[in-house]
Amino acid sequence: DAKTTQPPSMDCAEGRAANLPCNHSTISGNEYVYWYRQIHSQGPQYIIHGLKNNETNEMASLIITEDRKSSTLILPHATLRDTAVYYCIVRGSNDYKLSFGAGTTVTVRA
Amino acid sequence: DTAVSQTPKYLVTQMGNDKSIKCEQNLGHDTMYWYKQDSKKFLKIMFSYNNKELIINETVPNRFSPKSPDKAHLNLHINSLELGDSAVYFCASSLSLQETQYFGPGTRLLVL
Repeated sequence: DAKTTQPPSMDCAEGRAANLPCNHSTISGNEYVYWYRQIHSQGPQYIIHGLKNNETNEMASLIITEDRKSSTLILPHATLRDTAVYYCIVRGSNDYKLSFGAGTTVTVRA
Repeated sequence: DTAVSQTPKYLVTQMGNDKSIKCEQNLGHDTMYWYKQDSKKFLKIMFSYNNKELIINETVPNRFSPKSPDKAHLNLHINSLELGDSAVYFCASSLSLQETQYFGPGTRLLVL
């Protein structure tokens, strides 16, 4: 599995965009970038995933660099309920498991 | 309309006991998983079942035995519980082995 590197923590102001970086410099061509989050005491929640194109859904946007060595998850208007640990995971098309790292603890402040 | 559900939510038991955790998904998925989150908060896969067949067994002690009576259920039975088994256990499911996984709310196991 390609490893990912994320900052351990970041703060964000409520109502502002939160930009969460992730480095995955050893990613291979058939590996996807997945983002999950875990709100305190809850199960991991799927956010978004992509291969090489940018993706957007109702929760977030995923921006993947052209060389695919890094990506950014964007929460467009952070709310207090977005406070969570965010995990960036690289997963091959034949990977049957998700390999979670330490993630980024995001704290949204009023 | 819960997608992936687990019972019980909390489980407190004595060392040496045998216990089971149940998982059910109503998403029509073919694949189900068990993950363990330890006190350091790292999530690791334990098992994966696809169409009721064991696909992944990540060097989990054989005291842990998953059982899938049908595609909608994956239960986890643990024999001779040890202190180190204390953790949060998450069930997940996906449409197939390669698809996005959706997690349940977790079962918090405390072994005394």
